[in-house]
Amino acid sequence: KAGVTQTPRYLIKTRGQQVTLSCSPISGHRSVSWYQQTPGQGLQFLFEYFSETQRNKGNFPGRFSGRQFSNSRSEMNVSTLELGDSALYLCASSLEGLAGVDEQFFGPGTRLTVL
Amino acid sequence: AQSVTQPDIHITVSEGASLELRCNYSYGATPYLFWYVQSPGQGLQLLLKYFSGDTLVQGIKGFEAEFKRSQSSFNLRKPSVHWSDAAEYFCAVGADSGGGADGLTFGKGTHLIIQP
Repeated sequence: KAGVTQTPRYLIKTRGQQVTLSCSPISGHRSVSWYQQTPGQGLQFLFEYFSETQRNKGNFPGRFSGRQFSNSRSEMNVSTLELGDSALYLCASSLEGLAGVDEQFFGPGTRLTVL
Repeated sequence: AQSVTQPDIHITVSEGASLELRCNYSYGATPYLFWYVQSPGQGLQLLLKYFSGDTLVQGIKGFEAEFKRSQSSFNLRKPSVHWSDAAEYFCAVGADSGGGADGLTFGKGTHLIIQP
């Protein structure tokens, strides 16, 4: 069974631009969560989607948004990029359970660099 | 809100020696506890998890962890490390806050270095 895939793997943007990252969960998984990883703040929960609905959200500004499609694939969008948005963005999927409860499987991440 | 502390930023262990990585959590109810490992350039891989029951849990790659409620700890152990164990290790706590969950809360990680 294929694992969680994320595209693109690397991305370079400039301040003020917007970016869209994509995540394909493991087949049959319906829950997708997103995390931001930075050297200073570590791993932080962004949001979780289940059945095309945002089920939970972390403490991030509204510039960070996401959505989930009927095939469980998910995208996250960051608008008006800031230098501090440079990070590794990780996507994780689980069967159905809540992000903080069910076992999650992580993708390799998208490395975003904001110049 | 839950929190996780991993007191050791770096740990150096000789190959073949035993390993213990510390993790302390803060959460009012029974937590859901996880250990993940991250190798350079890769995502996170689940080593083991604790939800309830036996407080000593076995994971993959020869790792185990013990849940101690009285100490709010969930330390990761391995009796004999291999050079391939060099990686970043993250302890995480999850919560089911009655109808919702706040995702995983991660510790800052422990960087494990293996000496030959």
